[in-house]
Amino acid sequence: EDQVTQSPEALRLQEGESSSLNCSYTVSGLRGLFWYRQDPGKGPEFLFTLYSAGEEKEKERLKATLTKKESFLHITAPKPEDSATYLCAVPSRSSASKIIFGSGTRLSIRP
Amino acid sequence: DSGVTQTPKHLITATGQRVTLRCSPRSGDLSVYWYQQSLDQGLQFLIQYYNGEERAKGNILERFSAQQFPDLHSELNLSSLELGDSALYFCASSVVGSGGMADTQYFGPGTRLTVL
Repeated sequence: EDQVTQSPEALRLQEGESSSLNCSYTVSGLRGLFWYRQDPGKGPEFLFTLYSAGEEKEKERLKATLTKKESFLHITAPKPEDSATYLCAVPSRSSASKIIFGSGTRLSIRP
Repeated sequence: DSGVTQTPKHLITATGQRVTLRCSPRSGDLSVYWYQQSLDQGLQFLIQYYNGEERAKGNILERFSAQQFPDLHSELNLSSLELGDSALYFCASSVVGSGGMADTQYFGPGTRLTVL
Protein backbone atom coordinates (compact mmCIF):
# COMPACT_ATOMS: atom_id res chain seq x y z
CA GLU A 1 0.00 0.00 0.00
CA ASP A 2 1.25 3.49 -0.86
CA GLN A 3 2.13 5.37 2.30
CA VAL A 4 3.63 8.68 3.31
CA THR A 5 4.85 9.04 6.87
CA GLN A 6 5.97 12.31 8.38
CA SER A 7 7.91 12.79 11.56
CA PRO A 8 7.83 14.22 14.07
CA GLU A 9 4.09 14.88 14.40
CA ALA A 10 4.85 18.12 16.22
CA LEU A 11 8.00 20.14 16.76
CA ARG A 12 8.53 23.13 18.98
CA LEU A 13 11.66 25.18 18.41
CA GLN A 14 13.12 28.36 19.74
CA GLU A 15 13.54 31.17 17.24
CA GLY A 16 16.86 30.63 15.48
CA GLU A 17 17.06 26.93 16.37
CA SER A 18 17.55 24.95 13.16
CA SER A 19 16.02 21.49 12.62
CA SER A 20 14.77 19.03 10.02
CA LEU A 21 11.42 17.45 9.23
CA ASN A 22 11.27 13.97 7.72
CA CYS A 23 9.02 12.45 5.08
CA SER A 24 9.37 8.77 4.20
CA TYR A 25 7.39 7.03 1.48
CA THR A 26 6.78 3.50 0.26
CA VAL A 27 5.86 4.33 -3.34
CA SER A 28 8.31 2.82 -5.82
CA GLY A 29 9.16 4.56 -9.06
CA LEU A 30 8.73 7.99 -7.54
CA ARG A 31 7.16 10.49 -9.92
CA GLY A 32 7.57 13.54 -7.77
CA LEU A 33 7.54 14.61 -4.15
CA PHE A 34 5.87 17.78 -2.96
CA TRP A 35 6.19 19.94 0.13
CA TYR A 36 3.43 22.30 1.19
CA ARG A 37 2.93 24.64 4.09
CA GLN A 38 -0.55 24.93 5.60
CA ASP A 39 -1.79 27.52 8.08
CA PRO A 40 -4.91 26.69 10.14
CA GLY A 41 -8.09 26.91 8.07
CA LYS A 42 -6.18 27.84 4.91
CA GLY A 43 -5.29 26.02 1.72
CA PRO A 44 -1.91 24.30 1.38
CA GLU A 45 0.72 26.66 0.00
CA PHE A 46 3.17 25.13 -2.45
CA LEU A 47 6.81 25.12 -1.40
CA PHE A 48 8.84 22.60 -3.45
CA THR A 49 8.67 19.85 -6.03
CA LEU A 50 11.48 17.28 -6.18
CA TYR A 51 11.78 14.62 -8.86
CA SER A 52 15.15 12.92 -8.50
CA ALA A 53 17.20 11.43 -5.68
CA GLY A 54 19.95 13.89 -4.80
CA GLU A 55 17.90 16.90 -5.85
CA GLU A 56 17.83 19.90 -3.51
CA LYS A 57 15.76 23.07 -3.58
CA GLU A 58 15.91 26.17 -1.37
CA LYS A 59 13.61 29.00 -0.55
CA GLU A 60 14.49 31.53 2.13
CA ARG A 61 15.07 29.54 5.34
CA LEU A 62 13.83 26.26 3.89
CA LYS A 63 15.73 23.60 2.00
CA ALA A 64 14.23 20.36 0.72
CA THR A 65 16.28 17.29 -0.14
CA LEU A 66 15.33 13.94 -1.64
CA THR A 67 16.75 10.41 -1.40
CA LYS A 68 15.33 7.18 -2.78
CA LYS A 69 13.26 6.52 0.33
CA GLU A 70 12.75 9.85 2.06
CA SER A 71 12.84 13.60 1.92
CA PHE A 72 13.92 16.16 4.46
CA LEU A 73 12.78 19.71 4.93
CA HIS A 74 15.54 21.60 6.66
CA ILE A 75 14.66 24.84 8.36
CA THR A 76 17.53 27.17 9.19
CA ALA A 77 17.27 29.88 11.85
CA PRO A 78 13.45 29.78 11.87
CA LYS A 79 11.28 32.73 12.79
CA PRO A 80 7.85 32.71 14.49
CA GLU A 81 6.20 33.28 11.09
CA ASP A 82 7.49 29.87 9.99
CA SER A 83 5.04 28.28 12.40
CA ALA A 84 2.63 26.13 10.37
CA THR A 85 1.89 22.54 9.44
CA TYR A 86 4.26 21.20 6.78
CA LEU A 87 2.81 18.56 4.47
CA CYS A 88 4.65 16.11 2.27
CA ALA A 89 2.92 14.40 -0.65
CA VAL A 90 3.72 11.87 -3.36
CA PRO A 91 1.77 10.49 -6.34
CA SER A 92 0.38 7.01 -5.91
CA ARG A 93 1.81 4.02 -7.71
CA SER A 94 -1.35 3.71 -9.83
CA SER A 95 -1.72 7.30 -10.99
CA ALA A 96 0.43 10.42 -11.01
CA SER A 97 -2.75 12.40 -10.40
CA LYS A 98 -3.68 10.67 -7.14
CA ILE A 99 -1.58 12.51 -4.60
CA ILE A 100 -1.14 10.92 -1.19
CA PHE A 101 -0.51 13.35 1.63
CA GLY A 102 1.25 12.65 4.88
CA SER A 103 -0.41 13.72 8.11
CA GLY A 104 2.01 16.62 8.46
CA THR A 105 4.41 18.06 11.01
CA ARG A 106 3.05 20.88 13.17
CA LEU A 107 5.93 23.30 13.61
CA SER A 108 5.82 25.93 16.32
CA ILE A 109 8.55 28.57 16.65
CA ARG A 110 8.76 30.41 19.95
CA PRO A 111 10.13 33.98 19.93
CA ASP B 1 -2.36 33.92 -3.53
CA SER B 2 -2.25 30.75 -5.66
CA GLY B 3 -4.62 32.05 -8.32
CA VAL B 4 -7.18 29.31 -7.58
CA THR B 5 -10.50 30.64 -6.34
CA GLN B 6 -13.24 28.81 -4.45
CA THR B 7 -16.73 29.83 -3.42
CA PRO B 8 -18.34 29.95 -0.99
CA LYS B 9 -15.84 30.26 1.86
CA HIS B 10 -18.27 28.88 4.39
CA LEU B 11 -21.39 26.77 4.04
CA ILE B 12 -23.70 25.67 6.82
CA THR B 13 -26.49 23.26 5.99
CA ALA B 14 -28.58 20.46 7.44
CA THR B 15 -28.36 16.71 7.11
CA GLY B 16 -30.00 15.34 3.98
CA GLN B 17 -29.43 18.51 1.98
CA ARG B 18 -27.45 19.04 -1.21
CA VAL B 19 -24.77 21.68 -1.82
CA THR B 20 -22.55 22.78 -4.67
CA LEU B 21 -18.99 24.00 -4.27
CA ARG B 22 -17.34 25.98 -7.03
CA CYS B 23 -13.73 26.28 -8.13
CA SER B 24 -11.94 28.35 -10.76
CA PRO B 25 -8.45 27.13 -11.67
CA ARG B 26 -5.39 29.25 -12.29
CA SER B 27 -5.26 30.84 -15.69
CA GLY B 28 -3.88 28.31 -18.17
CA ASP B 29 -4.35 25.25 -15.97
CA LEU B 30 -6.35 22.43 -17.54
CA SER B 31 -6.67 20.09 -14.57
CA VAL B 32 -8.77 20.52 -11.47
CA TYR B 33 -8.57 18.31 -8.39
CA TRP B 34 -10.87 18.09 -5.38
CA TYR B 35 -9.75 17.17 -1.87
CA GLN B 36 -11.46 16.69 1.47
CA GLN B 37 -9.70 17.54 4.71
CA SER B 38 -11.16 16.46 8.02
CA LEU B 39 -9.49 16.36 11.41
CA ASP B 40 -9.27 12.58 11.57
CA GLN B 41 -8.54 11.81 7.92
CA GLY B 42 -6.09 14.44 6.78
CA LEU B 43 -6.07 15.61 3.18
CA GLN B 44 -7.78 13.05 0.92
CA PHE B 45 -7.89 13.10 -2.88
CA LEU B 46 -11.42 12.85 -4.26
CA ILE B 47 -11.38 13.34 -8.03
CA GLN B 48 -9.55 14.95 -10.94
CA TYR B 49 -10.89 16.50 -14.13
CA TYR B 50 -8.72 17.31 -17.12
CA ASN B 51 -10.08 19.60 -19.81
CA GLY B 52 -13.65 18.62 -19.06
CA GLU B 53 -13.16 14.88 -18.62
CA GLU B 54 -12.82 12.80 -15.50
CA ARG B 55 -9.20 11.64 -15.27
CA ALA B 56 -8.67 10.06 -11.86
CA LYS B 57 -10.81 9.05 -8.94
CA GLY B 58 -9.98 8.60 -5.28
CA ASN B 59 -12.22 7.50 -2.42
CA ILE B 60 -15.11 9.68 -3.49
CA LEU B 61 -18.49 8.71 -2.10
CA GLU B 62 -21.31 7.90 -4.53
CA ARG B 63 -23.27 10.79 -2.98
CA PHE B 64 -20.58 13.16 -4.30
CA SER B 65 -20.10 14.11 -7.92
CA ALA B 66 -18.13 16.68 -9.86
CA GLN B 67 -17.89 18.18 -13.29
CA GLN B 68 -15.67 20.55 -15.21
CA PHE B 69 -17.22 23.02 -17.59
CA PRO B 70 -15.95 24.33 -20.98
CA ASP B 71 -14.55 27.45 -19.29
CA LEU B 72 -12.59 24.99 -17.05
CA HIS B 73 -14.26 25.94 -13.79
CA SER B 74 -15.39 22.96 -11.74
CA GLU B 75 -18.20 22.18 -9.34
CA LEU B 76 -18.35 19.55 -6.61
CA ASN B 77 -21.85 18.43 -5.72
CA LEU B 78 -22.48 16.84 -2.33
CA SER B 79 -25.89 15.30 -1.72
CA SER B 80 -27.75 13.53 1.09
CA LEU B 81 -25.34 15.22 3.45
CA GLU B 82 -24.38 13.55 6.71
CA LEU B 83 -22.75 14.95 9.82
CA GLY B 84 -19.52 13.23 8.85
CA ASP B 85 -19.29 15.23 5.64
CA SER B 86 -18.38 18.32 7.65
CA ALA B 87 -14.88 19.19 6.52
CA LEU B 88 -12.75 21.59 4.53
CA TYR B 89 -13.02 21.00 0.79
CA PHE B 90 -10.13 22.16 -1.35
CA CYS B 91 -9.77 22.54 -5.03
CA ALA B 92 -6.36 22.47 -6.70
CA SER B 93 -5.27 23.01 -10.27
CA SER B 94 -2.28 22.11 -12.40
CA VAL B 95 -1.11 22.78 -15.91
CA VAL B 96 -1.71 19.32 -17.34
CA GLY B 97 -2.16 16.56 -14.78
CA SER B 98 -1.44 13.64 -17.03
CA GLY B 99 1.58 11.73 -18.20
CA GLY B 100 4.39 10.11 -16.31
CA MET B 101 5.56 12.71 -13.83
CA ALA B 102 3.22 14.41 -11.42
CA ASP B 103 2.33 18.05 -11.93
CA THR B 104 2.64 20.56 -9.14
CA GLN B 105 -0.83 21.28 -7.81
CA TYR B 106 -1.78 24.74 -6.54
CA PHE B 107 -4.51 24.87 -3.93
CA GLY B 108 -7.38 27.26 -3.41
CA PRO B 109 -8.43 28.73 -0.05
CA GLY B 110 -11.06 26.06 0.53
CA THR B 111 -14.73 25.86 1.47
CA ARG B 112 -15.59 25.00 5.05
CA LEU B 113 -18.71 22.85 5.09
CA THR B 114 -20.62 22.40 8.32
CA VAL B 115 -23.50 19.91 8.36
CA LEU B 116 -25.85 20.28 11.34
